[in-house]
Amino acid sequence: AQSVTQLDSQVPVFEEAPVELRCNYSSSVSVYLFWYVQYPNQGLQLLLKYLSGSTLVKSINGFEAEFNKSQTSFHLRKPSVHISDTAEYFCAVRGNTGGFKTIFGAGTRLFVKA
Amino acid sequence: DADVTQTPRNRITKTGKRIMLECSQTKGHDRMYWYRQDPGLGLRLIYYSFDVKDINKGEISDGYSVSRQAQAKFSLSLESAIPNQTALYFCATSGVTGTHNEQFFGPGTRLTVL
Repeated sequence: AQSVTQLDSQVPVFEEAPVELRCNYSSSVSVYLFWYVQYPNQGLQLLLKYLSGSTLVKSINGFEAEFNKSQTSFHLRKPSVHISDTAEYFCAVRGNTGGFKTIFGAGTRLFVKA
Repeated sequence: DADVTQTPRNRITKTGKRIMLECSQTKGHDRMYWYRQDPGLGLRLIYYSFDVKDINKGEISDGYSVSRQAQAKFSLSLESAIPNQTALYFCATSGVTGTHNEQFFGPGTRLTVL
């Protein structure tokens, strides 16, 4: 079984500042890892994912996350945030041994202030 | 047009009423899911279906039932709604190959049970 812990429920940050949203997971098998973003009044959409290969994965809008197997972490970072990045971010994990179930963290609400 | 649609988007009902939430998808995916989202709890899986003849309970199925009318349609019913079923409900889909590890979400249905 897998579990996900998002260490911060809310992260306020000023525009153009860097941000890190933390995610730790536990699993007895190898995993796939995801970050989803939920903008106000919308469903979740995939931001980026780690399946295999390079441990650093990037999104098209400047976010990146690094898979750290020894620390069982998948933190999300952006060097300079915009007002439009205000949203809720969910870390998710799925075992890669044929299971289907995706386990979601509780979410981190990112507030970007002008 | 949206790939995953949900109706209604908002619903207010009274305790004891029967409610049906509908989900349709044009992605051609076999796998469909129903989640509920509560503040601070992330997303929890209610039911999932791998094809029309395959329905499975998730982690919080009590008080809910589902129907997979066709590959593209997956409905969630609350036979006798209660106030603690007040939540945001999401339908999601995923394929088997290609981007099979990613889930695609509908816009959500906000349900209030008085």
